[in-house]
Amino acid sequence: GEDVEQSLFLSVREGDSSVINCTYTDSSSTYLYWYKQEPGAGLQLLTYIFSNMDMKQDQRLTVLLNKKDKHLSLRIADTQTGDSAIYFCAEISFSGGYNKLIFGAGTRLAVHP
Amino acid sequence: DAGVIQSPRHEVTEMGQEVTLRCKPISGHNSLFWYRQTMMRGLELLIYFNNNVPIDDSGMPEDRFSAKMPNASFSTLKIQPSEPRDSAVYFCASSLNRGQDEQYFGPGTRLTVT
Repeated sequence: GEDVEQSLFLSVREGDSSVINCTYTDSSSTYLYWYKQEPGAGLQLLTYIFSNMDMKQDQRLTVLLNKKDKHLSLRIADTQTGDSAIYFCAEISFSGGYNKLIFGAGTRLAVHP
Repeated sequence: DAGVIQSPRHEVTEMGQEVTLRCKPISGHNSLFWYRQTMMRGLELLIYFNNNVPIDDSGMPEDRFSAKMPNASFSTLKIQPSEPRDSAVYFCASSLNRGQDEQYFGPGTRLTVT
């Protein structure tokens, strides 16, 4: 069935790179997403990648997609304290006649000095 | 646009009481989603509306939960009667087109049932 898995916690030092990993199950997913949730707020789209791409770079963010292994990663370069948040990986699953986002459990990123 | 608006932001109620959560989606969006977030279960999709019509309510936990969308600019999620296990943060999200576009989330309603 549909499932998206992520590790629950990641702790990094300020200035280092963070890598958040995700595995998904729906090979027909056309888009894969990374959402960010800051404390006390709703989720906000951070970036996405189309399934025919291997990599997407957007300033400090790099998304890598390995379709064969159904593995998605988000790399944050020069991690800052403001990057502390929960990061959700999501796949699109076409079910019941519409596209539904399937979210992972979220990875809590803690950035320490 | 002000984004997705939810009210109230916090709700504390006693077990057995009726709770109504409200959502105003972004103007022009035709898809609306209600999610529930808890530590134990993560983010769960409760119900999805498209053009004000419920398309998928398979995530609604029990008959105590009901949702309506009387028009394109308003939706409610009602719990009657509420139970302590309903305590969670409830998010409303909207998107432009049948869920394949970016979903914009509201700030959430933190519900505590004592």
